[in-house]
Amino acid sequence: QKEVEQNSGPLSVPEGAIASLNCTYSDRGSQSFFWYRQYSGKSPELIMSIYSNGDKEDGRFTAQLNKASQYVSLLIRDSQPSDSATYLCAVSGGGADGLTFGKGTHLIIQP
Amino acid sequence: ETGVTQTPRHLVMGMTNKKSLKCEQHLGHNAMYWYKQSAKKPLELMFVYNFKEQTENNSVPSRFSPECPNSSHLFLHLHTLQPEDSALYLCASSLLAGGSTDTQYFGPGTRLTVL
Repeated sequence: QKEVEQNSGPLSVPEGAIASLNCTYSDRGSQSFFWYRQYSGKSPELIMSIYSNGDKEDGRFTAQLNKASQYVSLLIRDSQPSDSATYLCAVSGGGADGLTFGKGTHLIIQP
Repeated sequence: ETGVTQTPRHLVMGMTNKKSLKCEQHLGHNAMYWYKQSAKKPLELMFVYNFKEQTENNSVPSRFSPECPNSSHLFLHLHTLQPEDSALYLCASSLLAGGSTDTQYFGPGTRLTVL
């Protein structure tokens, strides 16, 4: 049974600070890793994808992957109130088996 | 229209009704997915279609019946559902299923309520 674990939060971060979101996964054979943002009542929206160890930066977002530790993280710099949402970590084994999602971390950016 | 669309956006049905959810993707993708999102539970994968062929059925009860007539359209036929089936049903698509081409893009979802 593949599992993806996230702290459900809420994680409260002051505006302008760095928000750090973490995720661990159980399947060592996982190959693709994704972060989605989901606003209340809306569908998930892709933020970042990462496939190899290290950091990947896109604007204010940085995804970090450590396959040895089976750990994925998302950093949000200069946090804005509009970043307040639930962040979903998703993992794929590389086969035609879809994504396994964590329960998500509820992030609150305090003005 | 662009992206992934789903209809209807909201659906209320009785346990004896039969209804269908529709998903259409305008991204030129070849893989399509159904997910279920219940309150306080992770998104659950239900079905995967790759080039119109079903490649995954994640132990879903037979009261949910998928249909994929072509790579752009995906249906979920519903019959004799239970109240616990009330949830947000999300459709997604990706270029292919698996590997670096499996970045999935989601539709807006259908909010289903079973009375």
